[in-house]
Amino acid sequence: DAGVIQSPRHEVTEMGQEVTLRCKPISGHDYLFWYRQTMMRGLELLIYFNNNVPIDDSGMPEDRFSAKMPNASFSTLKIQPSEPRDSAVYFCASSSSSWYGYTFGSGTRLTVV
Amino acid sequence: AQSVTQPDIHITVSEGASLELRCNYSYGATPYLFWYVQSPGQGLQLLLKYFSGDTLVQGIKGFEAEFKRSQSSFNLRKPSVHWSDAAEYFCAVGASSNFGNEKLTFGTGTRLTIIP
Repeated sequence: DAGVIQSPRHEVTEMGQEVTLRCKPISGHDYLFWYRQTMMRGLELLIYFNNNVPIDDSGMPEDRFSAKMPNASFSTLKIQPSEPRDSAVYFCASSSSSWYGYTFGSGTRLTVV
Repeated sequence: AQSVTQPDIHITVSEGASLELRCNYSYGATPYLFWYVQSPGQGLQLLLKYFSGDTLVQGIKGFEAEFKRSQSSFNLRKPSVHWSDAAEYFCAVGASSNFGNEKLTFGTGTRLTIIP
C-alpha cells in the first residue's frame, strides 16, 4: 500500500492566489481528516469526512477555506484567497472503522508570500 | 471535550540512556490514547495505542507506554534510546464512543534530541 498520498509536497504562492491541496487516502479507509500544523498552534483539526460526507468542519478557520471529497479516493482542501497567515504544513490522514488510529500523509508545506 | 498536555517541550537524552516522555489527558470516560512520532519533514507515524485491557502497551521501535487512570497519564518510555529516535513525539486522545476514529486531539509535542 502506498499510504496516504498528498500533493504537492511544497507550495509557494502569492497572497491573494487560490491554493488547492490534494489527498488520496488509503484504499478502504472510510475516514479522512485534514490537519494544519504550525509552531504557534500545533496540530489543528480542520475538517473530517466519513464515507465522503463532511462530519465536522468546525475547525475550518474561515470562509476562505473549503474542502471536498467527491469520492472515496480523493479529497481537496482549497484556500481562496490565500493569506500569509495560512502558511503552515497541511496534513491529510485517513482511518478505517475497523482499525483504530490514523495514517498520515507526508504533508504539504504551504508558504504564502 | 478532551485535551492533552505534554509538559516537556524539549528533552535531551544521551544515546543509550532511558527515556520517558510525559502525557496527561483530560476526558470524562475511558479514553483512547495514542503516541505518534514525527521525523523532520515527515508525517506522523503511529507508535502505539491504548484502548482497553493491559495498561502497559508495546509499540514499534522498542517503545512502550503505560496508562494510569488515577494519574490521567499515558507516558511513553524506552529503555535505551538510539540516535535515530531523535524526532518530535505527540500524544493524542480520542473519544472512546467513536473508537478513536473521530477527532483525535493532539498535544503540543515533545522534541527529543539525542546526544552521543
